[in-house]
Amino acid sequence: AQSVTQLDSQVPVFEEAPVELRCNYSSSVSVYLFWYVQYPNQGLQLLLKYLSGSTLVKGINGFEAEFNKSQTSFHLRKPSVHISDTAEYFCAVSELRFYGGSQGNLIFGKGTKLSVKP
Amino acid sequence: KAGVTQTPRYLIKTRGQQVTLSCSPISGHRSVSWYQQTPGQGLQFLFEYFSETQRNKGNFPGRFSGRQFSNSRSEMNVSTLELGDSALYLCASSWTVGYGYTFGSGTRLTVV
Repeated sequence: AQSVTQLDSQVPVFEEAPVELRCNYSSSVSVYLFWYVQYPNQGLQLLLKYLSGSTLVKGINGFEAEFNKSQTSFHLRKPSVHISDTAEYFCAVSELRFYGGSQGNLIFGKGTKLSVKP
Repeated sequence: KAGVTQTPRYLIKTRGQQVTLSCSPISGHRSVSWYQQTPGQGLQFLFEYFSETQRNKGNFPGRFSGRQFSNSRSEMNVSTLELGDSALYLCASSWTVGYGYTFGSGTRLTVV
């Protein structure tokens, strides 16, 4: 069965410092990969997604992630964080069917709370 | 372009009652999914509908049900509410299955 592990539950970082949020997944089939952000009392906002093609994916708000198939990882990075990046970040995967297309349902990690300090 | 709209935003129900939550997807989106978010279990998939058909269902008891209408709007129903059903229920829509979902702001259900 597929699973998603976000290795850090909390990441404190100073403003303008770089940050990496780690995500590893386990699946016996190909997957689509996603990063979502959740601000307090809000829903989830899609930051970026990997469906196919280039393994380096650029998203909104200056975030990027790299898909590493051999290490089954999809780490999220930002070279310089802002106070406004303080939020909870979720990595998610969706398994692909052997005949094409996605299963649809997202399997989420437990989330990483990013806290940006001035 | 309007986002995914969930109503109501907040709800307080008594144990044993039933509740219906509503979700209006982005115009043109035909896939609607529902998720439950709790501090203990995190985000868990409930079910997904595409063109009025349930395509996939998560591991939840039969008290949780849903449906999708011809205009792609969706409702989920929880019968015989339990205290453990207190959660944020999130709806997400996509133009097709699996390509990246847009989430609504959620309905916060509190069961007392």
